[in-house]
Amino acid sequence: KAGVTQTPRYLIKTRGQQVTLSCSPISGHRSVSWYQQTPGQGLQFLFEYFSETQRNKGNFPGRFSGRQFSNSRSEMNVSTLELGDSALYLCASSQGPGQPNEKLFFGSGTQLSVL
Amino acid sequence: AQTVTQSQPEMSVQEAETVTLSCTYDTSENNYYLFWYKQPPSRQMILVIRQEAYKQQNATENRFSVNFQKAAKSFSLKISDSQLGDTAMYFCALMDSNYQLIWGAGTKLIIKP
Repeated sequence: KAGVTQTPRYLIKTRGQQVTLSCSPISGHRSVSWYQQTPGQGLQFLFEYFSETQRNKGNFPGRFSGRQFSNSRSEMNVSTLELGDSALYLCASSQGPGQPNEKLFFGSGTQLSVL
Repeated sequence: AQTVTQSQPEMSVQEAETVTLSCTYDTSENNYYLFWYKQPPSRQMILVIRQEAYKQQNATENRFSVNFQKAAKSFSLKISDSQLGDTAMYFCALMDSNYQLIWGAGTKLIIKP
């Protein structure tokens, strides 16, 4: 079974631009969540999607948004990039809430650098 | 607010030794999950072990085991017969009722040959 796939692996953008990151979950998984990892703030929850609906959102500005498609693939978008948005963005997939042995499996991440 | 605390920023042990990583947490919820994840230099986040809060029995996965003390809100990870490939950042995390992970700051573990 293929794991969680995130694309692209690396991305370089300049301030003010926007960026879209993609995540394909493990086959059969319906929940996708996104996390931001920075040296200063550590790992922080961005949002979680289940069956195309955003169920939870972390404490991030509205510049951070996401969506999930009917095939469970998810995208996150960051508009008007700031230097502080430079981070590793991790996507995780799981079967979904209430499933036995609920576990999150992570992709390799997208390293975003904002210049 | 729910928090996860890892008080050891860095640890190092010799290969084949046993090492214990500490984690304490705070939550007002009764049903939750606890996890240890490993992040090697490749930055891939790898699930090490999972514990349901309602289970008294400590989880084990091969050389990895936990000491879950619910009343004390403690969740330590023991790695037996440590190997060079265990070198990584280790993160303790709490999954709340919103199915989001609250993370500790991480412990950098170095296994020396």
